[in-house]
Amino acid sequence: NAGVMQNPRHLVRRRGQEARLRCSPMKGHSHVYWYRQLPEEGLKFMVYLQKENIIDESGMPKERFSAEFPKEGPSILRIQQVVRGDSAAYFCASSSRGSLQETQYFGPGTRLLVL
Amino acid sequence: GQNIDQPTEMTATEGAIVQINCTYQTSGFNGLFWYQQHAGEAPTFLSYNVLDGLEEKGRFSSFLSRSKGYSYLLLKELQMKDSASYLCDGGANNLFFGTGTRLTVIP
Repeated sequence: NAGVMQNPRHLVRRRGQEARLRCSPMKGHSHVYWYRQLPEEGLKFMVYLQKENIIDESGMPKERFSAEFPKEGPSILRIQQVVRGDSAAYFCASSSRGSLQETQYFGPGTRLLVL
Repeated sequence: GQNIDQPTEMTATEGAIVQINCTYQTSGFNGLFWYQQHAGEAPTFLSYNVLDGLEEKGRFSSFLSRSKGYSYLLLKELQMKDSASYLCDGGANNLFFGTGTRLTVIP
């Protein structure tokens, strides 16, 4: 049973470009969470999605960031017009039910570097 | 609101016992998770407490006191590979992680 998959593992972008981060949840999981981890800091919640629905986006920056989890295919975290401050590790996690009392399984992360 | 506090760094000796504390304040509580994260890697699940008391799992144990908003992770017989960050995760919907405690195990 494959775990949570994220790609790319490393992504380099120049300021102003777009970054697309993909996350395929564990088989049988329909709940996806995105976190950002700045160097030397803890995980910061960004968004919680179910298939075709955004459940909680309270951690998403108001501009340039968006996320989706379509009926088919992976969840996508999209960052438009990237800036240097967006450089971080972006982790995706999934669970089989809602996050309440449910273990989250993390992907390996995508390390975004903005030049 | 949500607030989770952990020590930033700890150092312990190989073979020893170390206790990592976590205090939380939250508007809703659905249990408390501990995760381990090695540098450059994704977090991995260690333990989950929803009732008061101690949960033991091999060398790792986790304790919870809901009335005090307090948890600790106890690591016994420390090994060098235990050097990692330990993240306390609580709060409503378990979406709110602490900044983590960076544990360094020395020979």
